[in-house]
Amino acid sequence: EAGVAQSPRYKIIEKRQSVAFWCNPISGHATLYWYQQILGQGPKLLIQFQNNGVVDDSQLPKDRFSAERLKGVDSTLKIQPAKLEDSAVYLCASSLGTGNRELFFGEGSRLTVL
Amino acid sequence: GNSVTQMEGPVTLSEEAFLTINCTYTATGYPSLFWYVQYPGEGLQLLLKATKADDKGSNKGFEATYRKETTSFHLEKGSVQVSDSAVYFCALLSGGYQKVTFGTGTKLQVIP
Repeated sequence: EAGVAQSPRYKIIEKRQSVAFWCNPISGHATLYWYQQILGQGPKLLIQFQNNGVVDDSQLPKDRFSAERLKGVDSTLKIQPAKLEDSAVYLCASSLGTGNRELFFGEGSRLTVL
Repeated sequence: GNSVTQMEGPVTLSEEAFLTINCTYTATGYPSLFWYVQYPGEGLQLLLKATKADDKGSNKGFEATYRKETTSFHLEKGSVQVSDSAVYFCALLSGGYQKVTFGTGTKLQVIP
């Protein structure tokens, strides 16, 4: 079974530029999560989708971050414009969505903002 | 809101030593509890879980017991190996939409 795919693995941009990250979850997984992991900290939930609907985006900085999940499958997370403090690893995870299911994580996309 | 508190690292142990990583939580209702592990250069993966009070999760020699009375889920292993060197995250899942909240992680380094 293929795992969660993310791209790009690494991205370096200057502040005020824009960046987009892509995630392809495990086939059949209804729930998709985007987490931000700053160095030395635990993952912080940015947004959670159930199929193609948003169920939690309370910690997403909506003035600069946006995310979508078209057709309830792939998802894209965008940052525009980026700030220095956005330097982090962006983790995508998916789960079957019900019944205390475990999360399956991708390898992450490491963003460096200069 | 929900939160998870882990002991700060790094934790450095000699091979075959006993490991305990403390984890306590705050949550409404009856959350499920997890330990995830992140090996160097890899993504997070589930190590073990427990879904109700007094359950014990176990995997790869690691164990953790869901203690509702102390709101804790401490990770233990009787004899660590160099290959156990990683960052360990305690997490809880709660709510109708299965929101998962992570602790800050504890880095474990095992030396030969």
